[in-house]
Amino acid sequence: GNSVTQMEGPVTLSEEAFLTINCTYTATGYPSLFWYVQYPGEGLQLLLKATKADDKGSNKGFEATYRKETTSFHLEKGSVQVSDSAVYFCALAGLNAGNNRKLIWGLGTSLAVNP
Amino acid sequence: DTAVSQTPKYLVTQMGNDKSIKCEQNLGHDTMYWYKQDSKKFLKIMFSYNNKELIINETVPNRFSPKSPDKAHLNLHINSLELGDSAVYFCASSRGRGGNEQFFGPGTRLTVL
Repeated sequence: GNSVTQMEGPVTLSEEAFLTINCTYTATGYPSLFWYVQYPGEGLQLLLKATKADDKGSNKGFEATYRKETTSFHLEKGSVQVSDSAVYFCALAGLNAGNNRKLIWGLGTSLAVNP
Repeated sequence: DTAVSQTPKYLVTQMGNDKSIKCEQNLGHDTMYWYKQDSKKFLKIMFSYNNKELIINETVPNRFSPKSPDKAHLNLHINSLELGDSAVYFCASSRGRGGNEQFFGPGTRLTVL
């Protein structure tokens, strides 16, 4: 079945450090892949997405490339800020038994950026 | 204008009570969802409705009953609340029958004493 494996947190970085949060998936077919971010006390919001192999999603300085050969969608940012402190979720859009798509979620990775 | 709104934001209640959480979206989406997020931030889908039709019903105790009076509203009623129901409940909406970007509400923090 479909699944998402995300690196465990918490991740603690200093401001301006390089960030990578690993995400790998198993899926049948060609799912769309997403990164969502949840800031403290808020709901989740879409950060970026990619719908086919080799697509690169990007937003707010974050990037992730859909790698079919390694079944990965790692999130990266070159220089993190304190305001990036949040929980990051990797997700894929897979089919359920009723042929409806639902998002399969990773466990979330908490990021804390210190000044 | 708030895209996906939920009420109440906080709900504190005693074990055994019945409570409801309401959700409304003004995005014109045809699919709505309820998620439960536990204290470790694990996100679990509970239900999904498309145009008022239940399309996803995960393994959830039947004390939880969703109701969609129209495609802009999805409410969640919980009977006989238990301690383990304490969590943050998120409503979300999207176009199509899942797989597209989902827009989340701010969450309802339920505490069962």
